Amino acid sequence: DAGVIQSPRHEVTEMGQEVTLRCKPISGHNSLFWYRQTMMRGLELLIYFNNNVPIDDSGMPEDRFSAKMPNASFSTLKIQPSEPRDSAVYFCASREQGAGEQYFGPGTRLTVT
Amino acid sequence: KQEVTQIPAALSVPEGENLVLNCSFTDSAIYNLQWFRQDPGKGLTSLLLIQSSQREQTSGRLNASLDKSSGRSTLYIAASQPGDSATYLCAVRPRDNFNKFYFGSGTKLNVKP
Repeated sequence: DAGVIQSPRHEVTEMGQEVTLRCKPISGHNSLFWYRQTMMRGLELLIYFNNNVPIDDSGMPEDRFSAKMPNASFSTLKIQPSEPRDSAVYFCASREQGAGEQYFGPGTRLTVT
Repeated sequence: KQEVTQIPAALSVPEGENLVLNCSFTDSAIYNLQWFRQDPGKGLTSLLLIQSSQREQTSGRLNASLDKSSGRSTLYIAASQPGDSATYLCAVRPRDNFNKFYFGSGTKLNVKP
């Protein structure tokens, strides 16, 4: 398996623009997680899905952030409108059902100017 | 809320040394604990997963221990190599919600040739 796939790997955008990050989990994994990593706050869980259903979005910082999982092989994290403080590395991770290991994607480095 | 602390924040050692990285957590009601490695600009790679009922796990030159009652875990790296240079993160999963991970801020390791 190719592992968790994220795109784009790097995104530079201007403040106010819409940003969409994409994730393809490992085939057969039932849970998908979106994280944000910054120097100041470390790794933070934003939202996770079980069987394509959002379970806990309490980590989503503001209404400008939204996430969807239309099917078992694809998820998006959207920021609209983007702000400079959204600059971070965004990771997607997936896991088989249960409490096994999480597998992380390579991340998307977002820079909002 | 679970707080995870990693000490030291950075560590520089000569090649060949044995070393210990520390992780502490405030709530002992955990489901499991996982150690990750993160290379610069890359995602997280799982190293070891210790279930709450286990005391340690080993993989090659790596050994992770867990003392749940005292809220501590250590990652022991034997005969360190320059290729071990990376940031090491620990993450705990609470017993009442094993979909959530609480991450430490990491220990940045530099192994000098």
